[in-house]
Amino acid sequence: DSGVTQTPKHLITATGQRVTLRCSPRSGDLSVYWYQQSLDQGLQFLIQYYNGEERAKGNILERFSAQQFPDLHSELNLSSLELGDSALYFCASSEGYTIYFGEGSWLTVV
Amino acid sequence: GENVEQHPSTLSVQEGDSAVIKCTYSDSASNYFPWYKQELGKGPQLIIDIRSNVGEKKDQRIAVTLNKTAKHFSLHITETQPEDSAVYFCVGSNYKLTFGKGTLLTVNP
Repeated sequence: DSGVTQTPKHLITATGQRVTLRCSPRSGDLSVYWYQQSLDQGLQFLIQYYNGEERAKGNILERFSAQQFPDLHSELNLSSLELGDSALYFCASSEGYTIYFGEGSWLTVV
Repeated sequence: GENVEQHPSTLSVQEGDSAVIKCTYSDSASNYFPWYKQELGKGPQLIIDIRSNVGEKKDQRIAVTLNKTAKHFSLHITETQPEDSAVYFCVGSNYKLTFGKGTLLTVNP
């Protein structure tokens, strides 16, 4: 158990809908990362927050947004969902160099 | 930005044999190189890491080597066991992690 908690574990939704994925980082970790994993794209970095502020941005679509709250938990919002958004979404957290991943949220868009 | 190439994409070995996975990176500023193991249905788990001021690091059956001049780094697993079967990712990091595409390692009993 990495200490990073993600909910929900599985989610099925229709195209055009909006979903929110939630992440609780390891206790004391200030950085939160979001990654998307799909068969064809591998593990893609989406965005990083540090203590509530956006730190780095990767291949995140404009339809996606994220935030980190004062209690350090984070949410990834995915809107106007398309079939191609079906993937495993990982949250990770770190205090220093080492990044710890959660178990992921499986999103299926139908 | 950083680009990490990983080879091979699949690797099948017999139990007890060694397995080697190789990676190259492009950004000379990268200074941290972790390796992650991902089992089916689970998140990537850090198994070993190496920093740019070190050429080799070993932890029981796992070792990593780093050649900064050539921008190569490798993962070596000795005496492989069926539970080593998983996808392994190499990572190059400056301020953010860049993952390789992964290697599916299958250890046959």
